[in-house]
Amino acid sequence: GESVGLHLPTLSVQEGDNSIINCAYSNSASDYFIWYKQESGKGPQFIIDIRSNMDKRQGQRVTVLLNKTVKHLSLQIAATQPGDSAVYFCAETGDYKLSFGAGTTVTVRA
Amino acid sequence: SQTIHQWPATLVQPVGSPLSLECTVEGTSNPNLYWYRQAAGRGLQLLFYSVGIGQISSEVPQNLSASRPQDRQFILSSKKLLLSDSGFYLCAWSLGEQNIQYFGAGTRLSVL
Repeated sequence: GESVGLHLPTLSVQEGDNSIINCAYSNSASDYFIWYKQESGKGPQFIIDIRSNMDKRQGQRVTVLLNKTVKHLSLQIAATQPGDSAVYFCAETGDYKLSFGAGTTVTVRA
Repeated sequence: SQTIHQWPATLVQPVGSPLSLECTVEGTSNPNLYWYRQAAGRGLQLLFYSVGIGQISSEVPQNLSASRPQDRQFILSSKKLLLSDSGFYLCAWSLGEQNIQYFGAGTRLSVL
């Protein structure tokens, strides 16, 4: 569902470690799930998507896992870098619109 | 390649003044277009979306309106701004069944 009124959870990660960001979704009928990265003062940027008939998809330093049984989506970032500091949103598709999950603020410690 | 332009980047307006934010998309035809608002430290709130010229769907009742006078142009307007209209406004476009939305750089609106 939408996260309009929610305070965003946070994740603090040591530079070089792997990050795991989790998201729960609500609509079992969604065909695609998408992860976005939003840096401070900028618009969200598409990272990776996964179709509902897949369990895992890998990109450059990122992996998205989809568990339809428990309606859970995760984004793994390998070897986290300072440039990965941002707010990360998951989204599920449906009917021309996206439903955004509660964003997670990721802070990378040097 | 496709690009999306939003302007202005920042705007300070007095309460009661009108508003017009413009968004244009290049490099594609018949995109779906979206306006979102984001309060500081919060998620994205969908305000309006459009699947074609002259077709506008409103998601929340509010002091704002949207128009799509051309295929790749989306305008967000208000006749009289309220303090509560302050926020970060984002335009986005999408195509196809995946509906991956691509966002503009945003407009930070401060109503004083």
